[in-house]
Amino acid sequence: EAAVTQSPRSKVAVTGGKVTLSCHQTNNHDYMYWYRQDTGHGLRLIHYSYVADSTEKGDIPDGYKASRPSQENFSLILELASLSQTAVYFCASSPGRVEQYFGPGTRLTVL
Amino acid sequence: EQQVQQSPASLVLQEGENAELQCSFSIFTNQVQWFYQRPGGRLVSLLYNPSGTKQSGRLTSTTVIKERRSSLHISSSQITDSGTYLCAMSRNNNNAPRFGAGTKLTVKP
Repeated sequence: EAAVTQSPRSKVAVTGGKVTLSCHQTNNHDYMYWYRQDTGHGLRLIHYSYVADSTEKGDIPDGYKASRPSQENFSLILELASLSQTAVYFCASSPGRVEQYFGPGTRLTVL
Repeated sequence: EQQVQQSPASLVLQEGENAELQCSFSIFTNQVQWFYQRPGGRLVSLLYNPSGTKQSGRLTSTTVIKERRSSLHISSSQITDSGTYLCAMSRNNNNAPRFGAGTKLTVKP
């Protein structure tokens, strides 16, 4: 059974709308991450968390918020979705170090 | 600043040829991992290699910390090896990993 799951798997949103992407892990890992992937850019770090109820900004946090209500769950929130936020979003969990376990990704299209 | 640089950006091989992928870092690190991704797919960990040489099947990774680089060698490439290979590094155990842009590998019959 997949240890990191994401929902929804794909979503079409309207510009200015609110979008929430969810991630759930059963690895019992303390660390969780949100990345976005665009062609030619690899993965870029948006937000991450070391412990429940605490989040940290990554390299491209503008326009995104994160929430970690429990060790298992980590959400990414786009309060006012924009065209430039069309991308594939990946969640990952980690026991620490560079070792990471990824979810299947969410394809977000903002129109 | 792009902390992780990968080369080449793309590589096309005939089945059976070897591939050499490179990753360089803007800082010293002993936390290096290689990942594989099919188009539109999940990232799968290939090798964790903080230093020296590590092998897994047809994959061999060599990381030279003092030169801030890591390489991934794929021997006897197969069509199913096609996809994108990404390397990631972190400064220490508590630092969030950063990724390179990836090398897109295409293996032709």
